[in-house]
Order: sequence, then structure tokens, then C-alpha cells
Amino acid sequence: NAGVTQTPKFQVLKTGQSMTLQCAQDMNHNSMYWYRQDPGMGLRLIYYSASEGTTDKGEVPNGYNVSRLNKREFSLRLESAAPSQTSVYFCASSEGFWGPGQRTQPQHFGDGTRLSIL
Amino acid sequence: DQQVKQNSPSLSVQEGRISILNCDYTNSMFDYFLWYKKYPAEGPTFLISISSIKDKNEDGRFTVFLNKSAKHLSLHIVPSQPGDSAVYFCAASASNTGNQFYFGTGTSLTVIP
Repeated sequence: NAGVTQTPKFQVLKTGQSMTLQCAQDMNHNSMYWYRQDPGMGLRLIYYSASEGTTDKGEVPNGYNVSRLNKREFSLRLESAAPSQTSVYFCASSEGFWGPGQRTQPQHFGDGTRLSIL
Repeated sequence: DQQVKQNSPSLSVQEGRISILNCDYTNSMFDYFLWYKKYPAEGPTFLISISSIKDKNEDGRFTVFLNKSAKHLSLHIVPSQPGDSAVYFCAASASNTGNQFYFGTGTSLTVIP
């Protein structure tokens, strides 16, 4: 059971380059998320997808776009990479639907993509 | 503005003793709290959770305590084992505002054999 799979695991980009981080889950979860983790800070939500066909901004969405390709896959795109986007990126998924009044479910995380932008 | 704070970046404990990890939050609307454990080069793994209707939840060696009046939760690990050495994150969410999780900065626990 793979759970949440992220590709690639490592990537180095030059400023201005574009890149898509891939994420797939095999747990039939409805909700998917992208976080970034920076030194001295907790995980911060970039974008989330409450269900297939919907996406919405989280806490730090600037400079990113997302696509919920189907129920399994949720990709994160950097259109023009900046050094401030150097970080470790985590994808996560959870059962149930995100939304006010909905029962909260723990999130299952992938192993991360370590991204460096020079 | 950090809504969930873990003020101890690191903690060292002898094997067999109790580990106590602390977490404070500022948003009184938070009603669901979780602890995650993270090993290097891996993603966080869900450990234990607690709803605001409870003040304690226990799962084997792990117990989470919630003090709503103090906006404080703690994770107790008894007895501590070397395999518990990892970074522990607390997270909180408010069900009436969409269930976004807010994470603390993590506490690195080292259990000394």
C-alpha cells in the first residue's frame, strides 16, 4: 500500500524556471493538500482540493498553481520559480470532505519533495 | 502570526523515562488537535488526536492532554524508546471554518539509550 506518492524527491531549479510537482494517492481519499515546510516554521498550507474538481487557496498560495487531475492526483506548479520558494513540499490526503461543519480527519502525508531554487 | 506554538525546539530524555512535549495555541475556535511524528526524509505520520469535548486521549504509550482554559495540549510518551526519536508536530483545526490545519514548528525528541 503506497499511500501518498510524490515525485520527484529532489529538484534543483534556476530562478525563472517552471516545474510541476506530482502527487498521487491510492487510498480513495476525497481531499488533497499541498504544504511547504521551511526551517523554524510549521507546515503551511499552499492549496487544497476538497474534492475532485475543486481547488482553493490556503495560507501561502502566491506563486503557485494547482490541478486536481482526478480523484487520485493533485499537482502543484511553479510557473516562475523564485529563491523564496526553496522549501520542502509535502502532499497530503484525507478521507471525507473539507468544509465547515465537516468531521475533521487526519491527513496522510507523502515523503516530500526537496526543492532548491538558485 | 503563529496560531500554534511549540516553544521547545528540542528535548532529550533517557530511555524508559517519560517524554512530555508541549503545544500552545491562540485561537479559541480550534476544536480538534493532532500530533504527528516525523522521521528525517519522510513525511509526517499521524500519531494521536483529541477533540475539544475531551481532555485526555490515550493510545498505548501515547497520551494527549488538552487544557482548553489554558489553550494548551501536551503529548506524553511512557516509557520512551529510542525509536521515538523524531520531530513531533502538533496541529489544530476549527471545524466551523473549514478544517484547515495549523501546525506548530515541531519539537525534536531524542531518546538516549
